[in-house]
Amino acid sequence: GENVEQHPSTLSVQEGDSAVIKCTYSDSASNYFPWYKQELGKGPQLIIDIRSNVGEKKDQRIAVTLNKTAKHFSLHITETQPEDSAVYFCAASSPLGPGGSYIPTFGRGTSLIVHP
Amino acid sequence: SQTIHQWPATLVQPVGSPLSLECTVEGTSNPNLYWYRQAAGRGLQLLFYSVGIGQISSEVPQNLSASRPQDRQFILSSKKLLLSDSGFYLCAWSQERAYGYTFGSGTRLTVV
Repeated sequence: GENVEQHPSTLSVQEGDSAVIKCTYSDSASNYFPWYKQELGKGPQLIIDIRSNVGEKKDQRIAVTLNKTAKHFSLHITETQPEDSAVYFCAASSPLGPGGSYIPTFGRGTSLIVHP
Repeated sequence: SQTIHQWPATLVQPVGSPLSLECTVEGTSNPNLYWYRQAAGRGLQLLFYSVGIGQISSEVPQNLSASRPQDRQFILSSKKLLLSDSGFYLCAWSQERAYGYTFGSGTRLTVV
C-alpha cells in the first residue's frame, strides 16, 4: 500500500519568513495530493491540493509543488504570520476505491510555529 | 452549501461505559462518510468508512463499531470503553466518486 513520509515534524520560524514542508510517497499510482491545516482543537481543513498532471499550484501565500519522478511534493508558505501556526498534514491518494470512496494516506503531520 | 455536524465536542467517560458519537451531513445526498481517530502525536487513523446506508467497512480491528442508519448520518459506538479508546475522533465526508474531505470539528474523548 501507499506510504507517506512527512518532514520535518516540527518547524519553527520567525514571522515573515518562509516555511517549507516536504512529503514523499511510495505508490506511483497516486494522483491526488491535498494539504490540510489543523488548528488546535479543530478538525483539519483543506488548504490546497494538486493533481498529478500539474507540477505547481499557488493560492496567495501558499503553494504546492509536485515531482512525480521523484515521488515528492512540498508545501511552501511565504511571509508567514502567527495565524499560520498549526499542524499541517500532507496526503496522497490513488484512484478512488470501492463505491467511489476516497481513502488518502496521510503523513504524520508537521507542527508549524510562527513566532511574532 | 454542505455542512457537517459532529457532537458532542468533548466527552469524559468511565472505563467500561458505552459510547455513541454522531455525525450528520447537510446539503448533499449519498455522501461517503468516514470516522478517524487522532491520538496524541497527531497521526490520523482511519477507523471506518461507508459508501451507503448499512454499508460499513472497517479498517482497524478494535473495540469500536460504526453504523449508518440514514443516508447522511454516521454513528460511532462502543459497548465497553477502554482507556486506549481515548483520543480525538473526527468524522469526514466526501462526495460520491470525488476527491477531498471535509472534516467535522471533532470529539475529544477521555476515558477515565
